[in-house]
Amino acid sequence: KAGVTQTPRYLIKTRGQQVTLSCSPISGHRSVSWYQQTPGQGLQFLFEYFSETQRNKGNFPGRFSGRQFSNSRSEMNVSTLELGDSALYLCASSLGASGTYNEQFFGPGTRLTVL
Amino acid sequence: SQQGEEDPQALSIQEGENATMNCSYKTSINNLQWYRQNSGRGLVHLILIRSNEREKHSGRLRVTLDTSKKSSSLLITASRAADTASYFCATDERGGSNYKLTFGKGTLLTVNP
Repeated sequence: KAGVTQTPRYLIKTRGQQVTLSCSPISGHRSVSWYQQTPGQGLQFLFEYFSETQRNKGNFPGRFSGRQFSNSRSEMNVSTLELGDSALYLCASSLGASGTYNEQFFGPGTRLTVL
Repeated sequence: SQQGEEDPQALSIQEGENATMNCSYKTSINNLQWYRQNSGRGLVHLILIRSNEREKHSGRLRVTLDTSKKSSSLLITASRAADTASYFCATDERGGSNYKLTFGKGTLLTVNP
């Protein structure tokens, strides 16, 4: 099976712009989670989608949003970008929802740089 | 705030030696997982241990879990240069209807050839 894919791999934006990142989970996986990784804060949970429903959300402002489509592909959107949004954004998929002892399979990430 | 905290933050050893990393957490957990990340890339799942398990092995990896102390350790035996990476523990917090996977800040392991 193909692994989790994320597009684009690298992105450069300027403050105030918006960005959309895409994640394609492993075939058959219904849960997609998003994480932000920065040197200062480490890996932080953004949100999880399962069967097109947001199941859980981390402590991020409303500028961060996401959605999941019927084929389990997911997108996350960040509006009004700030310098502090520069990070590696990781997507992970799992067979079931979190809390069901499923390991998460991570994509390679999207490196977002905000200038 | 971080649920899991790894210790040490950095570890440098020689090839062939064993490496031990520790993780402490704060709340009751459903399970604890260990992941590896090579520089700036995605995470790779290593092992999952459930809250009712005390020890688990996978190849050169040995994970222990002490729920009374809210701590876990990851032992890598006979380390290789290819084991150089950051290692993270992650907990699937118990409580409520929605779980989330919470990561520590990681241990950077350097294995010198």
